[in-house]
Amino acid sequence: QSALTQPASVSGSPGQSITISCTGTSSDVGGYNYVSWYQQHPGKAPKLMIYDVSNRPSGVSNRFSGSKSGNTASLTISGLQAEDEADYYCSSYTSISTQEFGGGTKLTVL
Amino acid sequence: EVQLVESGGGLIQPGGSLRLSCAASGFTVSSNYMSWVRQAPGKGLEWVSVIYSGGSTYYSDSVKGRFTISRDNSKNTLYLQMNSLRAEDTAVYYCARRRSGSYFFDYWGQGTLVTVSS
Repeated sequence: QSALTQPASVSGSPGQSITISCTGTSSDVGGYNYVSWYQQHPGKAPKLMIYDVSNRPSGVSNRFSGSKSGNTASLTISGLQAEDEADYYCSSYTSISTQEFGGGTKLTVL
Repeated sequence: EVQLVESGGGLIQPGGSLRLSCAASGFTVSSNYMSWVRQAPGKGLEWVSVIYSGGSTYYSDSVKGRFTISRDNSKNTLYLQMNSLRAEDTAVYYCARRRSGSYFFDYWGQGTLVTVSS
């Protein structure tokens, strides 16, 4: 069982918006603004999409945004496109200097 | 250009040992925080270990006491020594960089598959 809780799957139609949640505790998500999100296509390495809760790396579409409230972080993808179909993982720094991942969410673009 | 290239994976019997390598280019391993992250077949990502620039190391509970992370500064290479391997250690192992002072993985290798089976 993963330390951070994500929904197993979400889906949306092209052009719509979806939100993926990531719930932890005060020892990880709630205690630090160090949540990051990764996109992984089948057979590929993960790719950083959001860091420090809401920052986008250079080259990542502004359709991707992140936020946090309490012990729950969220990733929102607006204007869904077919290429967004992938697995998404949240990650958080922890109070014992380690890192944790969520169980992953499979995004299906209908 | 930053690149991470893992090697050393393969088929190993339960109880055996294996050492993974991650050759880095485009940056200095010892100046960054380097981690190993694994992914069992069809499963999610699992953080395994980190070595900080100062040399401190941390491990997940699932590998503590069996795995050792290290680096060779002269070769700019990260290692993961895996002992007492179990079937549940079967996974693709990725090395990933956390830039010094940051809390996210900005570069990942392509991964190397470790299969523990008799």
